[in-house]
Amino acid sequence: LAKTTQPISMDSYEGQEVNITCSHNNIATNDYITWYQQFPSQGPRFIIQGYKTKVTNEVASLFIPADRKSSTLSLPRVSLSDTAVYYCLVGDSNYQLIWGAGTKLIIKP
Amino acid sequence: NAGVTQTPKFQVLKTGQSMTLQCAQDMNHNSMYWYRQDPGMGLRLIYYSASEGTTDKGEVPNGYNVSRLNKREFSLRLESAAPSQTSVYFCASSPTQEMGEAFFGQGTRLTVV
Repeated sequence: LAKTTQPISMDSYEGQEVNITCSHNNIATNDYITWYQQFPSQGPRFIIQGYKTKVTNEVASLFIPADRKSSTLSLPRVSLSDTAVYYCLVGDSNYQLIWGAGTKLIIKP
Repeated sequence: NAGVTQTPKFQVLKTGQSMTLQCAQDMNHNSMYWYRQDPGMGLRLIYYSASEGTTDKGEVPNGYNVSRLNKREFSLRLESAAPSQTSVYFCASSPTQEMGEAFFGQGTRLTVV
């Protein structure tokens, strides 16, 4: 099972682009990379998922280099409401996901 | 569309008491999961049900039992609660066990004294 490494915390300012990088050196061929967001006292919420190259949806982009040993979640023009914990997960099925402590992102005015 | 609904939202138990946490999803998903989350930590899988009629142990199953009552409902039972089971419990569901978006409930905050 692939383990991930991501920064414990980050802070940024409203209107900035935020990039959170996750390391997953032992990612397997069939593994997908998934990011979740969690607000205090709430369950995690799916943000984005990818296998390789770049994926973009209405809230974020996910950049995955060719060797797939790392990935970067990009949040464009963050606001105060983006303050949350962000989890990077790697696996080929939901029940195999290993949840680390995540990255606590704090957005300042 | 309620998504994943958990009851109760809060519960205080005395050591040795039993209780069942209820979870229901209305998205016609095949797979359901129970996680626990301790303060400052990520989620840990207790049990999962890949499809109706099947259940399997996750990372931390000791002290828990589950029942996949039907496709919609997946309950978690603590037979004899211990202080170490004080945690926030999340139920989740996904269309299949293959990698994809999982939907989470709002959680049950359980305290065992």
